[in-house]
Amino acid sequence: DGGITQSPKYLFRKEGQNVTLSCEQNLNHDAMYWYRQDPGQGLRLIYYSQIVNDFQKGDIAEGYSVSREKKESFPLTVTSAQKNPTAFYLCASSMRGGTGVRPQHFGDGTRLSIL
Amino acid sequence: AQSVTQPDIHITVSEGASLELRCNYSYGATPYLFWYVQSPGQGLQLLLKYFSGDTLVQGIKGFEAEFKRSQSSFNLRKPSVHWSDAAEYFCAVGAGIQGAQKLVFGQGTRLTINP
Repeated sequence: DGGITQSPKYLFRKEGQNVTLSCEQNLNHDAMYWYRQDPGQGLRLIYYSQIVNDFQKGDIAEGYSVSREKKESFPLTVTSAQKNPTAFYLCASSMRGGTGVRPQHFGDGTRLSIL
Repeated sequence: AQSVTQPDIHITVSEGASLELRCNYSYGATPYLFWYVQSPGQGLQLLLKYFSGDTLVQGIKGFEAEFKRSQSSFNLRKPSVHWSDAAEYFCAVGAGIQGAQKLVFGQGTRLTINP
């Protein structure tokens, strides 16, 4: 079955350490997204990518970086510059199209905690 | 810029009772509207979407939503809830800009079901 796989499900980071969250999709979607979810704040967009080798900052990109070298993969790195990285991170993908807005499909998330 | 407000942070209903979750949006053009559901520790699942046409849309799991342009609302309803409906529900509005597909989410409504 097609879907989005995020790994690991739980991740722990030490102070000053960079960590990378994996997101892989086999839905043949062009667009991919990373969101951060904190209690009571809904989802906030970190980065998004419409096509391979291209990505744009979302609303809260500071302290994060991404790459999009393959259509299927959109890894997110949480750098040491992100001072409050503890959160639930969700990856999503969608078809890319014209003037409309396509539904986004979500992975099951990665919960990042600071040791 | 678009925004979404879900006025109710937490709602409790009895099993078998009817349900209505409120969503108000702000967007200058015709909105693309979505409702998603999230079980604890999981990703988001699409319940239904509105793009155009009939203002009453049917979704999965017996949910429906009604788009009311005059009230800028897109409320989610279910005639009779089941214990398995306990989850968090997110309303989102989308904007397609030059192919980009950005969603803005509300803060979510947590639904508790009393037996």
